[in-house]
Amino acid sequence: QQPVQSPQAVILREGEDAVINCSSSKALYSVHWYRQKHGEAPVFLMILLKGGEQKGHEKISASFNEKKQQSSLYLTASQLSYSGTYFCGARNYGQNFVFGPGTRLSVLP
Amino acid sequence: GAVVSQHPSRVICKSGTSVKIECRSLDFQATTMFWYRQFPKQSLMLMATSNEGSKATYEQGVEKDKFLINHASLTLSTLTVTSAHPEDSSFYICSAIPWTGEETQYFGPGTRLLVL
Repeated sequence: QQPVQSPQAVILREGEDAVINCSSSKALYSVHWYRQKHGEAPVFLMILLKGGEQKGHEKISASFNEKKQQSSLYLTASQLSYSGTYFCGARNYGQNFVFGPGTRLSVLP
Repeated sequence: GAVVSQHPSRVICKSGTSVKIECRSLDFQATTMFWYRQFPKQSLMLMATSNEGSKATYEQGVEKDKFLINHASLTLSTLTVTSAHPEDSSFYICSAIPWTGEETQYFGPGTRLLVL
């Protein structure tokens, strides 16, 4: 079952903040976040395993809610290099890994 | 560390021919590798899970006789697209999970296949 991502797309000015959400109707074993630039393979950003977990550094961080059904990726003071498509990947208990549909982020100067 | 390579990076072939794509973990051993395909502006779609020394597990709707997967060693998995057709044209990406059980995937750079 594919997780739901929102928004589908977002346009920012350099220095602005953004939040990308990833949600599932069922509790997840883990959530992964990846960024993919056009024509390239995805690059791993981080993984969250525990309900209530928050991790990352001050510019890019993520949270996993207590019920393990929603994760959010926080991009602070965005840079031009942050542009790309962000995918959450979710592993359901006993099931395979599934990517969300992606959120296209464009950071403008 | 944790580098995954794919070869070739780009291939153009005639309809009806077979194409082999290699996925190698360069600095770690991977008991599990995944094969994905991605169409333009779409998400990655898992095709199959490849485990070293055993048969691959294919996702529903993926023809195992058309997409042959061989996980010959802890560092190499191959995907062969047999009797390729234009609709097989896509971006194929592999990923690998380290044998240490680390809960993450390291992706290869992808192979762009164009079938004429």
